[in-house]
Amino acid sequence: NAGVTQTPKFRILKIGQSMTLQCTQDMNHNYMYWYRQDPGMGLKLIYYSVGAGITDKGEVPNGYNVSRSTTEDFPLRLELAAPSQTSVYFCASSRTSGDSYEQYFGPGTRLTVT
Amino acid sequence: GDSVTQMEGPVTLSEEAFLTINCTYTATGYPSLFWYVQYPGEGLQLLLKATKADDKGSNKGFEATYRKETTSFHLEKGSVQVSDSAVYFCALRRDSWGKLQFGAGTQVVVTP
Repeated sequence: NAGVTQTPKFRILKIGQSMTLQCTQDMNHNYMYWYRQDPGMGLKLIYYSVGAGITDKGEVPNGYNVSRSTTEDFPLRLELAAPSQTSVYFCASSRTSGDSYEQYFGPGTRLTVT
Repeated sequence: GDSVTQMEGPVTLSEEAFLTINCTYTATGYPSLFWYVQYPGEGLQLLLKATKADDKGSNKGFEATYRKETTSFHLEKGSVQVSDSAVYFCALRRDSWGKLQFGAGTQVVVTP
């Protein structure tokens, strides 16, 4: 059972380039989330999804897009990368939003935009 | 809006010392509260949780009590080990979609 996997682990982008961060979970969770972690700032929610075909914005969605075509996959797309998107990105999933169920996090993708 | 405030780090302790990390929150109603831990180079893991006032969450020797009077959820451990060195995040659940509001995190360094 791999849990939540993310690729790549590290990436350096030039300003204006685009890329997709991959996230896959094998726990058959309905809910998935993308967060960014900036130093000293905690985690901020970018986008979330409550099931295949359903996504919604979080606190900081500007400059990002998501899709959810399957239960397992929840890729995050960066268009026209900017230095402000330098961060560590975490994907998470949970079986339901109920109190009894926790969010499981992937190991993260460290992105640098120069 | 909802917010979570944690004590700033780093917190440096000797092995077997007592650890307290303060966490207070602002929210409407009575949200569920969580402590997550992030070990170096890894993602976050749930450490403990409490879903209603006066609940005590506990795991791996860590404890935290949901205090609605003081809107607090302080994390404590009686005797830390070097392996407890990590960043600890306090969080509250914001809505029925499971979205979490995180504090800034507190780095804990335990020395032998």
